[in-house]
Amino acid sequence: DAGVIQSPRHEVTEMGQEVTLRCKPISGHNSLFWYRQTMMRGLELLIYFNNNVPIDDSGMPEDRFSAKMPNASFSTLKIQPSEPRDSAVYFCASSPRAGVWTETQYFGPGTRLLVL
Amino acid sequence: AQKITQTQPGMFVQEKEAVTLDCTYDTSDQSYGLFWYKQPSSGEMIFLIYQGSYDEQNATEGRYSLNFQKARKSANLVISASQLGDSAMYFCAMREDTGRRALTFGSGTRLQVQP
Repeated sequence: DAGVIQSPRHEVTEMGQEVTLRCKPISGHNSLFWYRQTMMRGLELLIYFNNNVPIDDSGMPEDRFSAKMPNASFSTLKIQPSEPRDSAVYFCASSPRAGVWTETQYFGPGTRLLVL
Repeated sequence: AQKITQTQPGMFVQEKEAVTLDCTYDTSDQSYGLFWYKQPSSGEMIFLIYQGSYDEQNATEGRYSLNFQKARKSANLVISASQLGDSAMYFCAMREDTGRRALTFGSGTRLQVQP
């Protein structure tokens, strides 16, 4: 079975440009999470969805960040406009059942974003 | 207060020896899960092992075991018979039944296995 799929794997862009990161969760999983990893802050949750509905977006840094999940098999994280401090690895993860604390989250390979 | 604390930024171990990576956690929930992930230099996050707060026995997965001491709020990862491929960052994480219900990660421990 395919794991979590993220694209692109690497993105280099210039400050002020729009960046869109994409994620396809594992088929049948009902929860989807976006995390960001930086040297300074480690791994931190940005937003998560249960059954395609955003549940907690308190980790989204500011209005420049937005996330959508139009269906069970696709999610996007958009940054507009991008800034150099957004440079990080962005992970998407999914878990089988919504809102269940025992569920393991499975991570995608990540998107390494560099904003110049 | 930190919810997950990993006090060992780096660890060295000889190949074929066992190593323990420390993790302490802080929660007032009765229901929570503890997870360990491995991040090799290639960058992906690989799930290793899970322990639920109500589990009475320590979790084991192959060469990985979790030394769960609930009263001390510790969930140490034990890797037996270390291999060169075990060299990586290791993250302890917790998911609580209340609050944000997403994973909270520790700062990680970098393990280097020496031949």
